[in-house]
Amino acid sequence: AQSVTQLGSHVSVSEGALVLLRCNYSSSVPPYLFWYVQYPNQGLQLLLKYTSAATLVKGINGFEAEFKKSETSFHLTKPSAHMSDAAEYFCAVRGDTGGFKTIFGAGTRLFVKA
Amino acid sequence: DAGVTQSPTHLIKTRGQQVTLRCSPKSGHDTVSWYQQALGQGPQFIFQYYEEEERQRGNFPDRFSGHQFPNYSSELNVNALLLGDSALYLCASSTTVMNTEAFFGQGTRLTVV
Repeated sequence: AQSVTQLGSHVSVSEGALVLLRCNYSSSVPPYLFWYVQYPNQGLQLLLKYTSAATLVKGINGFEAEFKKSETSFHLTKPSAHMSDAAEYFCAVRGDTGGFKTIFGAGTRLFVKA
Repeated sequence: DAGVTQSPTHLIKTRGQQVTLRCSPKSGHDTVSWYQQALGQGPQFIFQYYEEEERQRGNFPDRFSGHQFPNYSSELNVNALLLGDSALYLCASSTTVMNTEAFFGQGTRLTVV
């Protein structure tokens, strides 16, 4: 069965600092991995996705993530945080041979301090 | 492209009542999944519909049921509402191509009182 673990329910950074949100996955098949962002009272918006083409994936708003099979990780980074990055971030996995569902982690709330 | 649309946006129900939530998928998508997101938690998979049939189901009781119509739109029904059913219900549409992402609607905020 697939699963996703996000390390740290809350992360706080200063504006301009590096953002690092951690995600580890478990999958019995090569996974497809996603990062979504959710602003208050809204649905989820895709930031980026890994589909086995390249291990370093670039997404919207300056975010990127690196797939590391040996570490079963897919951490999200952004070199310089902006106040508008404050939101909830979810890592997700898809690839279960039994179906097409997407499984989400518990989320990490990012706070950005001025 | 209207994307994924859900209705209603907010709903207040009383314990024991029944509720129906609706979802229209993104154009070109044939698969609809429903998620429950409780406050401060990640989306929990309820079930997924494809070709008008429930294909996969998460760990939710039979009080949660659904339907998919020939135009790919979907409904989520919840019977005998409990206070614990209060949550944001998200609909996601996708295709069966595995390396594609799910697109989400804005959700329906259900409050059970």
